[in-house]
Amino acid sequence: GAVVSQHPSRVICKSGTSVKIECRSLDFQATTMFWYRQFPKQSLMLMATSNEGSKATYEQGVEKDKFLINHASLTLSTLTVTSAHPEDSSFYICSALRGLAGYNEQFFGPGTRLTVL
Amino acid sequence: KNQVEQSPQSLIILEGKNCTLQCNYTVSPFSNLRWYKQDTGRGPVSLTIMTFSENTKSNGRYTATLDADTKQSSLHITASQLSDSASYICVVRGGGGFKTIFGAGTRLFVKA
Repeated sequence: GAVVSQHPSRVICKSGTSVKIECRSLDFQATTMFWYRQFPKQSLMLMATSNEGSKATYEQGVEKDKFLINHASLTLSTLTVTSAHPEDSSFYICSALRGLAGYNEQFFGPGTRLTVL
Repeated sequence: KNQVEQSPQSLIILEGKNCTLQCNYTVSPFSNLRWYKQDTGRGPVSLTIMTFSENTKSNGRYTATLDADTKQSSLHITASQLSDSASYICVVRGGGGFKTIFGAGTRLFVKA
């Protein structure tokens, strides 16, 4: 299957700092990528849809000025958590959309564990 | 309202036993349904994907079924292994704008 990578896999930062997470599609080009957040024992919650070359579309309740998304190329999307606070601690997962045999399939990255102290 | 509901929330079985996980959805129009396995601390990995015309699809010891009339799907795991311990997530694509709607997942624990 297609490969999506995320970097870093884990990050610990102090409150008030900014953290950048990278999502790469390694063997295919992805016009559309998604960013999710997952709290313990809960399912994935879509934060935003990232489209190459245009502004991201944010889900209701997600602050676009706090979670900056950049999709500058067909293989890379970045999520920057600005002025992070302890409540931003979570598991962040990206996925990339790939067209396959008449339908689109999402391939997920391995996730990034963010801990804000 | 477009929703995906999974049952049970969690399940404990002995190694070697079979189990079946359920997924009911109210998403319309329907595009496709996927089952993912998510190990703790990892991203989801696709197990099966089914479109409207497909009733069953297998991937090794995993067999998914789909009844588009009753809007129900199941994931059957045969001869469970300890490594099957994970969350299994049912995801339906559809609805207005063809969104991707996630179920809450079933947490499976396989014990020796």
